[in-house]
Amino acid sequence: DVKVTQSSRYLVKRTGEKVFLECVQDMDHENMFWYRQDPGLGLRLIYFSYDVKMKEKGDIPEGYSVSREKKERFSLILESASTNQTSMYLCASRLDTEAFFGQGTRLTVV
Amino acid sequence: RKEVEQDPGPFNVPEGATVAFNCTYSNSASQSFFWYRQDCRKEPKLLMSVYSSGNEDGRFTAQLNRASQYISLLIRDSKLSDSATYLCVVFRNTNAGKSTFGDGTTLTVKP
Repeated sequence: DVKVTQSSRYLVKRTGEKVFLECVQDMDHENMFWYRQDPGLGLRLIYFSYDVKMKEKGDIPEGYSVSREKKERFSLILESASTNQTSMYLCASRLDTEAFFGQGTRLTVV
Repeated sequence: RKEVEQDPGPFNVPEGATVAFNCTYSNSASQSFFWYRQDCRKEPKLLMSVYSSGNEDGRFTAQLNRASQYISLLIRDSKLSDSATYLCVVFRNTNAGKSTFGDGTTLTVKP
């Protein structure tokens, strides 16, 4: 089975902190994605990557950056966390059409 | 207008009921369609793909209407364990490229 692992289930960070969310997949998938999920807003794509060192902005990239140094790892970076970035963050990887999700990281910025 | 729109729900149905969800998409170039299921506080997981000819998996039937740009999910003989949020997903291409998720429809099946 494909496994997508996010480094933390729950995180609490202070406003202004730099935050790293890590995601690792074990199936050699080319495509990886970061979403945030908020009540009433559904899943929104932040960034995605279709190859090592390649990245593309999604629908809401502001305030975020990403890093894909190795194929299996896709990191989401909040340069300076703000309270409006409190959310559930979901990483996904995909080879063809089916996306496999990590268990999610619930980030609270206080 | 959102690229993918779903029935807002919530749907509250008794066990054994038949329930249907619809999802419309705005981009006619969309190529692949899926239904995902998301349990409370869990990640989304693929429920089933949606094919042009329609497809069935046990109590679940998915259909695609390209002319009207909507997909549907029918659940027959609802079980308590079907309670979840159902997400409609549209891919514009099958390689690199983003997928677009609907906001989800919440189903609660009651005894």
